[in-house]
Amino acid sequence: SAVISQKPSRDICQRGTSLTIQCQVDSQVTMMFWYRQQPGQSLTLIATANQGSEATYESGFVIDKFPISRPNLTFSTLTVSNMSPEDSSIYLCAIAGQGADTQYFGPGTRLTVL
Amino acid sequence: AQKITQTQPGMFVQEKEAVTLDCTYDTSDPSYGLFWYKQPSSGEMIFLIYQGSYDQQNATEGRYSLNFQKARKSANLVISASQLGDSAMYFCAITTSSASKIIFGSGTRLSIRP
Repeated sequence: SAVISQKPSRDICQRGTSLTIQCQVDSQVTMMFWYRQQPGQSLTLIATANQGSEATYESGFVIDKFPISRPNLTFSTLTVSNMSPEDSSIYLCAIAGQGADTQYFGPGTRLTVL
Repeated sequence: AQKITQTQPGMFVQEKEAVTLDCTYDTSDPSYGLFWYKQPSSGEMIFLIYQGSYDQQNATEGRYSLNFQKARKSANLVISASQLGDSAMYFCAITTSSASKIIFGSGTRLSIRP
């Protein structure tokens, strides 16, 4: 399966600032996904990032707060804008496996907002 | 809409024993896929096993097997001969042919006692 990396692995940020998280895959993939996992909670899909088109956001998530870029088939970024302590979470990118039967996840970015 | 229910928030099991993690699901889509992921304390999401709704046999991957009972809408994960390294959160998830996203359950924290 593909190797997925994320940067940074963790960060501590001040409220009101923004952080951009990078997701790099070692092979070309059509669909990439961004998830949020709040402390003690399950994973929630933020958006689906497709190359060449705007990301598709899930209910409760907006582009102004979580802008996403997908410049090519191996890379995507998620920005968490104007952060507040409630944004403290693990953010994970994922790719669809062959045949889209499953999704494989990156190692995650652990974000703490003070 | 799809839904995953995991009724065991936490479990303790003696090393080398088998353990069953419960998962029930709800969907009106006749074509769907069921997954189990493992999340150690590091935060990464590790894909364990996949079962398609039309698969005739239960999926197996090494020490992991999925006890798929379609009529009961259950997809329990069985781990044989548990090891200390199996201590982690375990998430059951579902995807359907009509939706590319994965819906996760609330998770079960498994702790293996030496």
